[in-house]
Amino acid sequence: GESVGLHLPTLSVQEGDNSIINCAYSNSASDYFIWYKQESGKGPQFIIDIRSNMDKRQGQRVTVLLNKTVKHLSLQIAATQPGDSAVYFCAAASGSARQLTFGSGTQLTVLP
Amino acid sequence: EPEVTQTPSHQVTQMGQEVILRCVPISNHLYFYWYRQILGQKVEFLVSFYNNEISEKSEIFDDQFSVERPDGSNFTLKIRSTKLEDSAMYFCASSALVSGANVLTFGAGSRLTVL
Repeated sequence: GESVGLHLPTLSVQEGDNSIINCAYSNSASDYFIWYKQESGKGPQFIIDIRSNMDKRQGQRVTVLLNKTVKHLSLQIAATQPGDSAVYFCAAASGSARQLTFGSGTQLTVLP
Repeated sequence: EPEVTQTPSHQVTQMGQEVILRCVPISNHLYFYWYRQILGQKVEFLVSFYNNEISEKSEIFDDQFSVERPDGSNFTLKIRSTKLEDSAMYFCASSALVSGANVLTFGAGSRLTVL
C-alpha cells in the first residue's frame, strides 16, 4: 500500500525567507502528487499538483519538485508571508485510483 | 469561487446513535469523496463515489458506514451506530473528471464528537 510521510512535523521561518517542506512516498507506482494547505478549522486547500512525467512545476510563489528516483517531493514557498502559516500536506495517487493518500502534515509557522 | 458546503459544522452524539453528515459538492463535479481527520492526525480516505455508486473505499469504511446521493445536489455519509473512535473531522470533497489529475476541492468539514 501507499504511505506518505513528511520529514519534519514543524517548520519555523522568518517572514520573507523561503520555505521548503519535504515529503517522501513509498509506492513507486504513485504517479500523481498534490500539496494541500490546511488552516486551523478549515478543510484542506489545493496549492499545486504535479504528475510523474514532470520533475518541477511552478505556481505563484510555490514550486513543487519531484524526484522519482528517491521517491521524494518538496514544496518551496518563496518570500514566505504570515498568511502562509498553516499545516501543509502532501498526497499521492496511483494509476486510475482517485483516492489520495495523505502524509501526516508539517506545521509551518512564519515568524515576524 | 465554487465551494463544497457541509452541514452540520459540529455534531455531538451519544455512542450507538446514527449520524448523517451532509455535503453539497461543486455542481459540475462528478466524483465525490469522504475523508476523515482524527484530531492531530493525517487526513484519511474513506470512500469515493462516481456514477451513483461507490468506486473505492478504505478499510475504515466498514458496514457501519454508508453513502448516498439522494438527489442531484446532496451527498451524505451515514454512520449507523457511532463509536467513540468515530470522533473526528469529516471532510467531503469533490473533483471533476480530468485525465491524469485529481484536484479535490474540500469542504470546511463536519466535526463529529461521540460521547
